[in-house]
Amino acid sequence: SQQGEEDPQALSIQEGENATMNCSYKTSINNLQWYRQNSGRGLVHLILIRSNEREKHSGRLRVTLDTSKKSSSLLITASRAADTASYFCATDYTGTASKLTFGTGTRLQVTL
Amino acid sequence: EADIYQTPRYLVIGTGKKITLECSQTMGHDKMYWYQQDPGMELHLIHYSYGVNSTEKGDLSSESTVSRIRTEHFPLTLESARPSHTSQYLCASMGSGSYNEQFFGPGTRLTVL
Repeated sequence: SQQGEEDPQALSIQEGENATMNCSYKTSINNLQWYRQNSGRGLVHLILIRSNEREKHSGRLRVTLDTSKKSSSLLITASRAADTASYFCATDYTGTASKLTFGTGTRLQVTL
Repeated sequence: EADIYQTPRYLVIGTGKKITLECSQTMGHDKMYWYQQDPGMELHLIHYSYGVNSTEKGDLSSESTVSRIRTEHFPLTLESARPSHTSQYLCASMGSGSYNEQFFGPGTRLTVL
């Protein structure tokens, strides 16, 4: 399977703390994306990082990509209760144009 | 407003029934996808389409079928539903730009008794 693995599977932090999630994948990619899913809903795209990029920022989000280790991390700074959701990485593998393979997800709980 | 819609949002049916899950998008996207997701688990691609009259099976084997007669419409059909089909079904679409961002509908939660 080309499916990515994410860790931790679940993460519980207090509001104001930073949350870091990691994603590992298996073969060469065109890009890696992070999505957010609130309970029982569809996914919402957060950020995309291309294979030739190493770091990207969007608001309170920071994504890094290490293609030599086939891994990525998503950092959410100054977390809020509204950030409570599941977060998935998705990879666009080379040679599978327009198809995404999703990771196993990290369930983030932010408490007041 | 450009969006992607799925109906119904929730469906509870008995074994053996034929069902169709609807998915429509108003963004003019060529590419559309169906994913199956069990609660708290990863998404599995079951069908995709790169345009009208184009359909392909995804990475996860599924007894469902799809059609793409119009660009905006990508329905999924189960001829005879079984309890093993109980899951959440997510529809997504993607444009033809250089960024392969997918836009997701709200999902249909299917329960087969």
